[in-house]
Amino acid sequence: GEDVEQSLFLSVREGDSSVINCTYTDSSSTYLYWYKQEPGAGLQLLTYIFSNMDMKQDQRLTVLLNKKDKHLSLRIADTQTGDSAIYFCVQAAGGYQKVTFGTGTKLQVIP
Amino acid sequence: EADIYQTPRYLVIGTGKKITLECSQTMGHDKMYWYQQDPGMELHLIHYSYGVNSTEKGDLSSESTVSRIRTEHFPLTLESARPSHTSQYLCASSRTSGANVLTFGAGSRLTVL
Repeated sequence: GEDVEQSLFLSVREGDSSVINCTYTDSSSTYLYWYKQEPGAGLQLLTYIFSNMDMKQDQRLTVLLNKKDKHLSLRIADTQTGDSAIYFCVQAAGGYQKVTFGTGTKLQVIP
Repeated sequence: EADIYQTPRYLVIGTGKKITLECSQTMGHDKMYWYQQDPGMELHLIHYSYGVNSTEKGDLSSESTVSRIRTEHFPLTLESARPSHTSQYLCASSRTSGANVLTFGAGSRLTVL
């Protein structure tokens, strides 16, 4: 199976940390990604992690990968109203690096 | 700054019309994709291509067709639009090698009356 699951909705207060979680089923995943979609726009890549890593940090973003549990998380520190968007967890696996999208988590930041 | 362009951004048409959604990329990517996005957010892959003259159907059955005559161009056509085709259509492209990062266009929002 190639399912990627996420909770649908997360609400946080401005300035708090946000943690968006994802579970995937394909243990052969080579890359795992987080994409962001703002209202009325296409998706943009936020960050990605290679499967042999367990953590990656990029400014306010921290990605944690637990390969044993097939769990990926995205932490956004000091969440701002501009972070309000839909966040997609994505895995790539197989010889053709087939990409599978999660259901998306809508992050609402309350001022 | 977009390197992948979709036109039109918004289209409202009547049932039975033929429409073509255009997608062009300037990055020389071999792989290109069309996704259909529900109002409830989930993306469904409807077509993909690994290069010129290569097209494949995706995970979600679609009445649309695609062509890939040039590397940079991957248009999607609906011969006879119906209200059930109302959706957001997202085009994307990626390299053949490396991390397979997808670059997305801004999307085409289609409404069929």
